[in-house]
Amino acid sequence: DAGVTQSPTHLIKTRGQQVTLRCSPKSGHDTVSWYQQALGQGPQFIFQYYEEEERQRGNFPDRFSGHQFPNYSSELNVNALLLGDSALYLCASSLDRGGEKLFFGSGTQLSVL
Amino acid sequence: AQTVTQSQPEMSVQEAETVTLSCTYDTSENNYYLFWYKQPPSRQMILVIRQEAYKQQNATENRFSVNFQKAAKSFSLKISDSQLGDTAMYFCAFITNDYKLSFGAGTTVTVRA
Repeated sequence: DAGVTQSPTHLIKTRGQQVTLRCSPKSGHDTVSWYQQALGQGPQFIFQYYEEEERQRGNFPDRFSGHQFPNYSSELNVNALLLGDSALYLCASSLDRGGEKLFFGSGTQLSVL
Repeated sequence: AQTVTQSQPEMSVQEAETVTLSCTYDTSENNYYLFWYKQPPSRQMILVIRQEAYKQQNATENRFSVNFQKAAKSFSLKISDSQLGDTAMYFCAFITNDYKLSFGAGTTVTVRA
């Protein structure tokens, strides 16, 4: 049983560029949440997708957007990259939006130069 | 606002000894789940233990146990018989009906041989 998979594992971009990160949830899960973890800090909630819609959003600007596909996989898009967007981006999946059992992927390390 | 405070940035413990990590949180909700996550250098976020707020009995998972004090909004983690593989960053977190997982800043635990 594959767990949560994220791609790519590492990414280097320059300021102003756009980036797309991908996540496949654990088999049987229908909800995907994205978190940003800056170096030395705890993860911060970006948003959650359920039934192909953004259901909850954290305190992140509109430069951060996402999408969920019919197969429940998800993408995180960040436009107009800033140096401060450098972080580990974690994807977590769950069933029926339930938060009591979240499974995390290994993350995508984004470096903005 | 929902916040999590981990007041110990770093903890060091001798192998086979016991270490306790502190965590306090703030929420106006009555129903929520509390978690301790472990993040080793691989940066994979691994669930250590989970506690339902409506349960008075403290959760236990092998060498890991919690002391949950709901009135004080305190949720400490005790690691018994520490092993070298326990070396990692530990995050306290909780989630309410808004489905957003809120994390503390983390405590780095180093187990010495």
